[in-house]
Amino acid sequence: GAVVSQHPSWVICKSGTSVKIECRSLDFQATTMFWYRQFPKQSLMLMATSNEGSKATYEQGVEKDKFLINHASLTLSTLTVTSAHPEDSSFYICSALLHSEQFFGPGTRLTVL
Amino acid sequence: GENVEQHPSTLSVQEGDSAVIKCTYSDSASNYFPWYKQELGKRPQLIIDIRSNVGEKKDQRIAVTLNKTAKHFSLHITETQPEDSAVYFCAASSGGSNYKLTFGKGTLLTVNP
Repeated sequence: GAVVSQHPSWVICKSGTSVKIECRSLDFQATTMFWYRQFPKQSLMLMATSNEGSKATYEQGVEKDKFLINHASLTLSTLTVTSAHPEDSSFYICSALLHSEQFFGPGTRLTVL
Repeated sequence: GENVEQHPSTLSVQEGDSAVIKCTYSDSASNYFPWYKQELGKRPQLIIDIRSNVGEKKDQRIAVTLNKTAKHFSLHITETQPEDSAVYFCAASSGGSNYKLTFGKGTLLTVNP
């Protein structure tokens, strides 16, 4: 139980384009999901908290207009990286909250050329 | 906000030895302290957690201790095996309405056969 999936697992895009990453809780409903970014050999940095039916809460320094989050249902949150640039290349990981524990997705490797 | 410090950043041990990783936190309101194991390119996996009403918790070869007064908690792995080699992250959360996690910078554990 408590399985979280992400799609795609990896994506390569050109600079200036937008990329959408999906996070799904497969066997439970999640009112709250989280989006993290992890650069090589670094820790997970929380980008935003995604709440179903309301606006996401962004961490300090994260541009909400660049990283669009939509949590339209209890099993799906999406992160759209708009106008991606090479410095946005990273490992993006989502998690879904169940009974105070976060269950992580497998991550999405984004490479911006 | 919460700040979590983790030491050491790298740790190399011989198979069968014990490994200890230490973390400190700054927010006295934090009450949930999970430890994650992350292999290269994979999602973080919860290996053990402890809540502030408990001082120690053990699960087979893994144990965690918590000192609320000093605001530090530690991960102990006994009888280490090569498959224990990975990056380990500590985290802290104050619970509340969103159970947001703040992660330490991670410890690269290498268990030499």
